[in-house]
Amino acid sequence: EDKVVQSPLSLVVHEGDTVTLNCSYEVTNFRSLLWYKQEKKAPTFLFMLTSSGIEKKSGRLSSILDKKELFSILNITATQTGDSAIYLCAVDGGGSNYKLTFGKGTLLTVNP
Amino acid sequence: NAGVTQTPKFRILKIGQSMTLQCTQDMNHNYMYWYRQDPGMGLKLIYYSVGAGITDKGEVPNGYNVSRSTTEDFPLRLELAAPSQTSVYFCASRGQGIVTGNTIYFGEGSWLTVV
Repeated sequence: EDKVVQSPLSLVVHEGDTVTLNCSYEVTNFRSLLWYKQEKKAPTFLFMLTSSGIEKKSGRLSSILDKKELFSILNITATQTGDSAIYLCAVDGGGSNYKLTFGKGTLLTVNP
Repeated sequence: NAGVTQTPKFRILKIGQSMTLQCTQDMNHNYMYWYRQDPGMGLKLIYYSVGAGITDKGEVPNGYNVSRSTTEDFPLRLELAAPSQTSVYFCASRGQGIVTGNTIYFGEGSWLTVV
């Protein structure tokens, strides 16, 4: 059974701090790892990672994948209160059904 | 382009009642999914479909049924609602292929309370 573990489960920081969210996985056949941001509604797509060592970047957010060690990190620099959300990591285990297995998420709270 | 549309957004059910959550997508996606999300938890897969006429169970299928008579629609049915089915339900779809197959589109969610 595919498994995705995120840490920490929750995190409280002050505006301007830098945070690192972790995601480790065990899957039968890896195809991709995806990061989502969720703010009281449907998750919104952030990044998709398929290759090791290639950083994906969007503004203050960046992410990288290590396929040898089976983990990914999501970095947020200069955090803002608008970054407060649940961050979900999901893995596509490579089946013909394209199912995603989600972690429990990291609840990030950014205080002013 | 509406994407993935779920209805209803909110519903309160009594124990033992039945209801159907509707999901439709207009992107001609083959793959559709139903997830549930409990407080403090990630999304768990209930059922999925890889095309019209084909459905299969996910991690937590008990108490639910689905059908996929058309490419566009993937309704989720609760036959005998139980308090354990109080949750937020998300329908999702994705395409196939290198460009479109790796992005999953979510509906806005359906908040269901069973009392």
